[in-house]
Amino acid sequence: AQSVTQPDIHITVSEGASLELRCNYSYGATPYLFWYVQSPGQGLQLLLKYFSGDTLVQGIKGFEAEFKRSQSSFNLRKPSVHWSDAAEYFCAVVPWNRDDKIIFGKGTRLHILP
Amino acid sequence: DAGVTQSPTHLIKTRGQQVTLRCSPKSGHDTVSWYQQALGQGPQFIFQYYEEEERQRGNFPDRFSGHQFPNYSSELNVNALLLGDSALYLCASSAKQGGPETQYFGPGTRLLVL
Repeated sequence: AQSVTQPDIHITVSEGASLELRCNYSYGATPYLFWYVQSPGQGLQLLLKYFSGDTLVQGIKGFEAEFKRSQSSFNLRKPSVHWSDAAEYFCAVVPWNRDDKIIFGKGTRLHILP
Repeated sequence: DAGVTQSPTHLIKTRGQQVTLRCSPKSGHDTVSWYQQALGQGPQFIFQYYEEEERQRGNFPDRFSGHQFPNYSSELNVNALLLGDSALYLCASSAKQGGPETQYFGPGTRLLVL
């Protein structure tokens, strides 16, 4: 079945430490890939997206993600987190046939220790 | 340039009632999608409207219906409310320009059904 998996429900890191959030997808072909962030009580903000080309994509707020076809993964990274990065992060896909509906993972809540 | 706006921000209803949520898309966008986000879950696609017609639908019952107006704004209607309909309802807009779409999300309407 088609799915998006974020294996970590919660992650806690210290401020200034590096971060990696995992995402795996299960589709017949490479979908379009996204990472969104949602702060408490807020809507979703797009961090970055991958459609094709360079497999390392840069996003806003210092985030980047790497697409690895062999692993069906699209992990989100940041070299040094800030307290303001505490939020929920959603990996999402739009299937390759571009029927436009976004399929979201269940999210990873990021906690930052001072 | 205003982004995606939604109204109301919060709403409390009782079981069996009907509710209407509203969304105005980002300027230049002509497509509106609706998502339901239950507490602790990722958003789930309800349906998408383009050219005033429902183009795609997720796995939601007919109690969920919508409409798109000539100015591209949209409404989501839910009839015979159930407790399980309590959620954050997100609207996203996009522009159909022939390429992969990136949807911009509004802040959401939080619905509580008692």
